[in-house]
Amino acid sequence: GQSLEQPSEVTAVEGAIVQINCTYQTSGFYGLSWYQQHDGGAPTFLSYNALDGLEETGRFSSFLSRSDSYGYLLLQELQMKDSASYFCAVGDTGGFKTIFGAGTRLFVKA
Amino acid sequence: SQTIHQWPATLVQPVGSPLSLECTVEGTSNPNLYWYRQAAGRGLQLLFYSVGIGQISSEVPQNLSASRPQDRQFILSSKKLLLSDSGFYLCAWRGGSDEQYFGPGTRLTVT
Repeated sequence: GQSLEQPSEVTAVEGAIVQINCTYQTSGFYGLSWYQQHDGGAPTFLSYNALDGLEETGRFSSFLSRSDSYGYLLLQELQMKDSASYFCAVGDTGGFKTIFGAGTRLFVKA
Repeated sequence: SQTIHQWPATLVQPVGSPLSLECTVEGTSNPNLYWYRQAAGRGLQLLFYSVGIGQISSEVPQNLSASRPQDRQFILSSKKLLLSDSGFYLCAWRGGSDEQYFGPGTRLTVT
């Protein structure tokens, strides 16, 4: 079957670093993506990994290990505005579909 | 730049009434388009996707349907809404690296 697993909630303090893990099982693989969604809003694209390794975009970094079917999103210098839900997603066979995880709710405390 | 529009932003409909949600994309041609539904506090459920005019793939059998009458227009419909159809409906298009760009969404409440 197709599934993605990520923690349901993570809590961290302002200024800290937090890592959100994602493991996946899909029939095909066309890259791992991460999205951020604030309450009441639509998801916004954060990052994409097609190959193994680390991709850095400002305070956010994303890592992929295809051999382990595993990736993570790393958020540094946490700010209150980072409180949101974060979804990992995998492109499925044929690349036409994207399968989303259930999301990780990040709470940033002062 | 590409822009995706959805309307209405919120909708309250009685059970058994019809539904039509529209999504349009600007700034790109022949996009792959998607309809998702999100229940409160949950992940995204793929409902339909389309790779071109008149080409619709359904992911979840239910009382919803989708159509793509024009290249940059994607419509989600229902003849008779159920209570379980309530949710946050999101339209998205797919970029060149599999990333998805979402519209602002329609929050539907079926009463």
